[in-house]
Amino acid sequence: GAVVSQHPSWVICKSGTSVKIECRSLDFQATTMFWYRQFPKQSLMLMATSNEGSKATYEQGVEKDKFLINHASLTLSTLTVTSAHPEDSSFYICSAMRTEKNIQYFGAGTRLSVL
Amino acid sequence: GQQLNQSPQSMFIQEGEDVSMNCTSSSIFNTWLWYKQDPGEGPVLLIALYKAGELTSNGRLTAQFGITRKDSFLNISASIPSDVGIYFCAGRVSGGSNYKLTFGKGTLLTVNP
Repeated sequence: GAVVSQHPSWVICKSGTSVKIECRSLDFQATTMFWYRQFPKQSLMLMATSNEGSKATYEQGVEKDKFLINHASLTLSTLTVTSAHPEDSSFYICSAMRTEKNIQYFGAGTRLSVL
Repeated sequence: GQQLNQSPQSMFIQEGEDVSMNCTSSSIFNTWLWYKQDPGEGPVLLIALYKAGELTSNGRLTAQFGITRKDSFLNISASIPSDVGIYFCAGRVSGGSNYKLTFGKGTLLTVNP
């Protein structure tokens, strides 16, 4: 079964509103989680590394004020897309790092559509 | 930065055929991972490789960690329709607290019944 739960799987919102996506590790603690964005027929693009108890590390070109990340517990990271615009429409995927196995496990993804 | 070249970009095969895809890197990796992604879903881990030369199987799937640590291949034997999807290789460069993965661009596999 799934070891990482991502919610919601699909969200439609109006331009200018904010959307929160949750990522939970189900049977292990994850001090490190990752947020990716994926465009159609393309590979995963890392947006940021989410670190429990500290600030997220953003990749170059990713606006930290636009994509707010909170990793308040060892099993939950959230990504908030603030003041969403149509160009933010995309497939967002999280992963959780299981350090003892050196493996990233992925959530099922969230399809965001901004009208 | 690190680059992963994954090939082929796409494959169209008949059910029952074997499939091979590979990734090469400009950098040495300490870990190679192979994932499969179905449409509208997140990637699912198929095989993890940790040592140069390591050959690991998972059912009809076999993957190897290249001796040079700059390449890896994935083989699928006796393909079936549910093998359809996008296959990604991913590598991790170093140990410590850097857990970031570098992904290949994916191989789209289509299996004709």
